[in-house]
Amino acid sequence: AQRVTQPEKLLSVFKGAPVELKCNYSYSGSPELFWYVQYSRQRLQLLLRHISRESIKGFTADLNKGETSFHLKKPFAQEEDSAMYYCALPIYNQGGKLIFGQGTELSVKP
Amino acid sequence: NAGVTQTPKFQVLKTGQSMTLQCAQDMNHNSMYWYRQDPGMGLRLIYYSASEGTTDKGEVPNGYNVSRLNKREFSLRLESAAPSQTSVYFCASSGQTGNTGELFFGEGSRLTVL
Repeated sequence: AQRVTQPEKLLSVFKGAPVELKCNYSYSGSPELFWYVQYSRQRLQLLLRHISRESIKGFTADLNKGETSFHLKKPFAQEEDSAMYYCALPIYNQGGKLIFGQGTELSVKP
Repeated sequence: NAGVTQTPKFQVLKTGQSMTLQCAQDMNHNSMYWYRQDPGMGLRLIYYSASEGTTDKGEVPNGYNVSRLNKREFSLRLESAAPSQTSVYFCASSGQTGNTGELFFGEGSRLTVL
């Protein structure tokens, strides 16, 4: 079954500390994975996708097929990173729908 | 460029009442989706439409109906609202030509059922 799991509901860190938001997936094929972010009072938006191997706002994520993980990392958290983060798996043969994890709320304290 | 527009933004219903959430996109996207967002549950897919003229059930379709009116519009109807349908509802669209996997979301509609 296709599934995305984010084990942490809330992650609280101090400004300047490293951040790792965990994501594990279950998928029979070769997955693509995404991280979406929802800042307060804003729309849910794409943060990054593994296939582009890019760093957005200092965040990176590496797909580890052996561990079926796609953890989101940032070496030095900023207060403006406080938001809700969702890991997502697209199912292209079903209209491109996204399966989302439960979400992790990141709180960066000053 | 409006992107994905949802109406209404807020609605309070009594148990048993009906309502329709409207969604429109101006990006010429083929696929459209309705999700609900609940604390601790993430976003769960209610229904989706891979292309104009088709609709399919998602993860939590019970109590809902949808209509893909045309390529731009995808509405979600609650025929007889229940308190369990209190949630924030998001419409999204994707895929102009091909499918990049990126979904574009509306601002959300907060529904409370008393």
